[in-house]
Amino acid sequence: SQTIHQWPATLVQPVGSPLSLECTVEGTSNPNLYWYRQAAGRGLQLLFYSVGIGQISSEVPQNLSASRPQDRQFILSSKKLLLSDSGFYLCAWSVDLNIQYFGAGTRLSVL
Amino acid sequence: SQKIEQNSEALNIQEGKTATLTCNYTNYSPAYLQWYRQDPGRGPVFLLLIRENEKEKRKERLKVTFDTTLKQSLFHITASQPADSATYLCALGNTGGFKTIFGAGTRLFVKA
Repeated sequence: SQTIHQWPATLVQPVGSPLSLECTVEGTSNPNLYWYRQAAGRGLQLLFYSVGIGQISSEVPQNLSASRPQDRQFILSSKKLLLSDSGFYLCAWSVDLNIQYFGAGTRLSVL
Repeated sequence: SQKIEQNSEALNIQEGKTATLTCNYTNYSPAYLQWYRQDPGRGPVFLLLIRENEKEKRKERLKVTFDTTLKQSLFHITASQPADSATYLCALGNTGGFKTIFGAGTRLFVKA
């Protein structure tokens, strides 16, 4: 069966520090991969999606970047975090009909 | 621009009653609509998908309707239980595309 791993679960980082969140998927090949951010009481904001290795589409201009070095690995990065980068970050994969299967999420607090 | 509206106010119902959540959308003609459940601090979990040519879909105590004329979906939980308390998200998408657009969700509280 398919599983998705996302870590860390929580992260507290100072303003200006770098960020690296990693997501890996098991049990499926060539999935579409997604990074979302969810602000408290808000909907899911799509940040990046990828349909293949090295293929990244950015939805929102921001301080973040994404990479897909392997078929089932998706990384969210920042060189310098801003206060506004705080939020709940979710990785997801899909194959059919864009049904999204989410990871457990990372709660990022930038102080 | 595309917009999905879900009731931002929490829905409080008594155990055993039917909960009905609404999802309205504008400026979009989706090929399908999805419903997800999200518990606090967790990622959403897929529940049901209904296609544009389907009027109704059921799964155990869940029922979803899809009215493309009204641009609306209704999500019903029958015989609700306290364990059904969560936030429920509506999402839209099109075949051939890679993106799913999510609503902000409606919080449901089921009282014992």
